[in-house]
Amino acid sequence: QSALTQPPSASGSPGQSVTISCTGASSDVGGYNYVSWYQQHPGKAPKLIIYEVSKRPSGVPDRFSGSKSGNTASLTVSGLQAEDEADYYCSSYAGNNNYVFGTGTKVTVL
Amino acid sequence: QVQVVQSGAEVKQPGASVKVSCKTSGYSFTNYGISWVRQAPGQGLEWMGWISAYSGTTSYPQKLRDRVTMTTATSTTTASMELESLTSDDTAIYYCARSNAYGPYYFDYWGQGTLVTVSS
Repeated sequence: QSALTQPPSASGSPGQSVTISCTGASSDVGGYNYVSWYQQHPGKAPKLIIYEVSKRPSGVPDRFSGSKSGNTASLTVSGLQAEDEADYYCSSYAGNNNYVFGTGTKVTVL
Repeated sequence: QVQVVQSGAEVKQPGASVKVSCKTSGYSFTNYGISWVRQAPGQGLEWMGWISAYSGTTSYPQKLRDRVTMTTATSTTTASMELESLTSDDTAIYYCARSNAYGPYYFDYWGQGTLVTVSS
């Protein structure tokens, strides 16, 4: 199972929006509505911020939103804040109880 | 509240095995599964496998299938992951995370991570 493809980096100024893409295949992203996104700050465990393509766990700000079209999923962070500077990983269920992560994107708040 | 607490750091020699445990509390253990994820220094996340605490079903990626074993103990609400034949490439932080009982769909509560260092 190959890793999902994400851009290595993305950036934006405070208050702006940034969108991260996540490209997979019909066997993972395109085949199931089980795309998730995780935020990871340095030295910390990952944190679930989006699950099932566009759902937010309790406590996650609505500045974070997810979507999917075909084999590509996207995470948008609106109204960027300093604390949003982190690594972001997409992931997807890949059938037969398999799972795959994306390559990761480092978001910088300018 | 849901808590997931992992065992402490380990240093192992090449060729040895390591077993990492994951103590859970605050939810019905057998209604969920546990996935394991590792992260090598400066690298991304790698899914290592999943076990259903409901059925005991396991799933491992092809790359690790011959070396990894995941188990659960319902009486102590603890999950464990054992990795054999360690090499320096296995040096990483290992995480456990709560998953769905029927498949590794997403991971909502994570442990703090366990650093495993493989060195002679």
